[in-house]
Amino acid sequence: GENVEQHPSTLSVQEGDSAVIKCTYSDSASNYFPWYKQELGKRPQLIIDIRSNVGEKKDQRIAVTLNKTAKHFSLHITETQPEDSAVYFCAASGTGFQKLVFGTGTRLLVSP
Amino acid sequence: DTEVTQTPKHLVMGMTNKKSLKCEQHMGHRAMYWYKQKAKKPPELMFVYSYEKLSINESVPSRFSPECPNSSLLNLHLHALQPEDSALYLCASSQDISGRRTGELFFGEGSRLTVL
Repeated sequence: GENVEQHPSTLSVQEGDSAVIKCTYSDSASNYFPWYKQELGKRPQLIIDIRSNVGEKKDQRIAVTLNKTAKHFSLHITETQPEDSAVYFCAASGTGFQKLVFGTGTRLLVSP
Repeated sequence: DTEVTQTPKHLVMGMTNKKSLKCEQHMGHRAMYWYKQKAKKPPELMFVYSYEKLSINESVPSRFSPECPNSSLLNLHLHALQPEDSALYLCASSQDISGRRTGELFFGEGSRLTVL
């Protein structure tokens, strides 16, 4: 089955800096790669996703890149703000999206 | 309405009790999920229902029994749980139109379960 590794486990940045979180996956058949943000005590919420036919996707200050050959994908957050502080999970799944496998999570702390 | 509502928010039960967790969504989603999340860990898939039929059971012990009475409701019946089952139980739903699913999972806030 699919296995998703995520690094780093914790990331501390100053407000305004950029943050990058990296994930690798094992199943070459995976074709859907979402990122979820979970604030303390809250539900996970989708922030951006990418499908395997696209190499990069942007939404304001966040972007995701995908390298299918190397089987890794990354989340980029620019101009970080304190409200970006949360745990970020990458995930991967194949056709049908049902069996989503999450990475281990990255705790991002943005200091003012 | 983009809400997935879970009740109760907190539940404390003994190992011999029988209890149920409930989940409701009114987004017309036809796929519903139960995830288990331990502290500082990612959500782990337990069960998936598609069009009210169980489609995935991730080898979950039989002391957890899911039920999907209709397209809006999902229950998780709990019986003879162990202390290690204490966790946050997240319900989620996703769109499923004519077999083509969009990927976004809409999570509820979760039911925090403590087994004594």
